[in-house]
Amino acid sequence: GAVVSQHPSRVICKSGTSVKIECRSLDFQATTMFWYRQFPKQSLMLMATSNEGSKATYEQGVEKDKFLINHASLTLSTLTVTSAHPEDSSFYICSATVGTSSTDTQYFGPGTRLTVL
Amino acid sequence: AQSVAQPEDQVNVAEGNPLTVKCTYSVSGNPYLFWYVQYPNRGLQFLLKYITGDNLVKGSYGFEAEFNKSQTSFHLKKPSALVSDSALYFCAWGKAAGNKLTFGGGTRVLVKP
Repeated sequence: GAVVSQHPSRVICKSGTSVKIECRSLDFQATTMFWYRQFPKQSLMLMATSNEGSKATYEQGVEKDKFLINHASLTLSTLTVTSAHPEDSSFYICSATVGTSSTDTQYFGPGTRLTVL
Repeated sequence: AQSVAQPEDQVNVAEGNPLTVKCTYSVSGNPYLFWYVQYPNRGLQFLLKYITGDNLVKGSYGFEAEFNKSQTSFHLKKPSALVSDSALYFCAWGKAAGNKLTFGGGTRVLVKP
């Protein structure tokens, strides 16, 4: 099956610094990638939709200047948490899909746990 | 607002017994419905999806789900649960299979030996 990787799997940073998380589709080209956030013992909340070569579409309430998304190629999307604060600590999960037809499935990465001190 | 709901926070079942994880939907039109499973500190693994056609959908690891339009439900089932099925299960809906997904709150399954 399709494999999506994320790097790093875990990161700890100081408040005020920026952190970049990578999401890669390893064996397929992903026209669309999604970024989700999951708080402890809660469900996933969609943050933004990332299409290769275009600007990301952010969900309501998500600060686009704080969560910078770049989908530079068909196999890589990055999420940069700028000026991170403790409340940004969370589990960030990306997913990737080849397209948006009825036969396409979203494949999820293993997640990145961010802890901001 | 269009959504899916998982009415049970946790389901406990003995190994070998049937497992059912409930999901109901409130979505207009023809929803695309999905089930994913999440193991601790891991991402989500795709189990199955309903797009159209046969209401009984068979998926990975022996799981299946039945789309019931009259009851607006999409319950996940497995005839004989394994201890290794213990995980967090999410129901989700989307406008298309590759489109953004909206998740239910999740149901924790604990299979006891």
